[in-house]
Amino acid sequence: DAGVIQSPRHEVTEMGQEVTLRCKPISGHNSLFWYRQTMMRGLELLIYFNNNVPIDDSGMPEDRFSAKMPNASFSTLKIQPSEPRDSAVYFCASSLTSRGAVNEQYFGPGTRLTVT
Amino acid sequence: DAKTTQPTSMDCAEGRAANLPCNHSTISGNEYVYWYRQIHSQGPQYIIHGLKNNETNEMASLIITEDRKSSTLILPHATLRDTAVYYCIVSVNQAGTALIFGKGTTLSVSS
Repeated sequence: DAGVIQSPRHEVTEMGQEVTLRCKPISGHNSLFWYRQTMMRGLELLIYFNNNVPIDDSGMPEDRFSAKMPNASFSTLKIQPSEPRDSAVYFCASSLTSRGAVNEQYFGPGTRLTVT
Repeated sequence: DAKTTQPTSMDCAEGRAANLPCNHSTISGNEYVYWYRQIHSQGPQYIIHGLKNNETNEMASLIITEDRKSSTLILPHATLRDTAVYYCIVSVNQAGTALIFGKGTTLSVSS
């Protein structure tokens, strides 16, 4: 298995531009998580989905952030408009929800976003 | 807020055992202790989890005190590749449940 795939790996954009981060979870996994990591705030959960349905988006910082999961194999995290304080590494993770399953999340390599 | 308390950093000599402590005094009866680690520039990686019994796998051992208020992750023979940030997380054992990461412990293994 290729693991969780994220694209792009690096993104540099100017303030005010729209940014879209993409994630392909591990095949067969039905839970997907978006995290953001900065030196100041550490690893923060932004939103997560179970069976393509958003369960908790309380970690999304503001209305500029939105996430979708149109099907079981794809999710996007969009920032519009982007600001310099959005600069961070964004991780996507997936897990398999089944009876008795361990809460083991598999993380992707992350997208390093720089907003100038 | 994270439900766990960990030392900010620890050092360990290569080949020696690394013992990483974690306090979770408010843990609930149905919550497990999970350990993840994050090697520089990579996503976090699951290590081990447990409820109340000691657990061991190919990566590490987990020792949980009888009152479940603290635990220790043991890497029996640390190598340079074990240098990472180690996160202790308390959560229900249900896949699809969010994990709340704290600051973790930065373990530095040196030769």
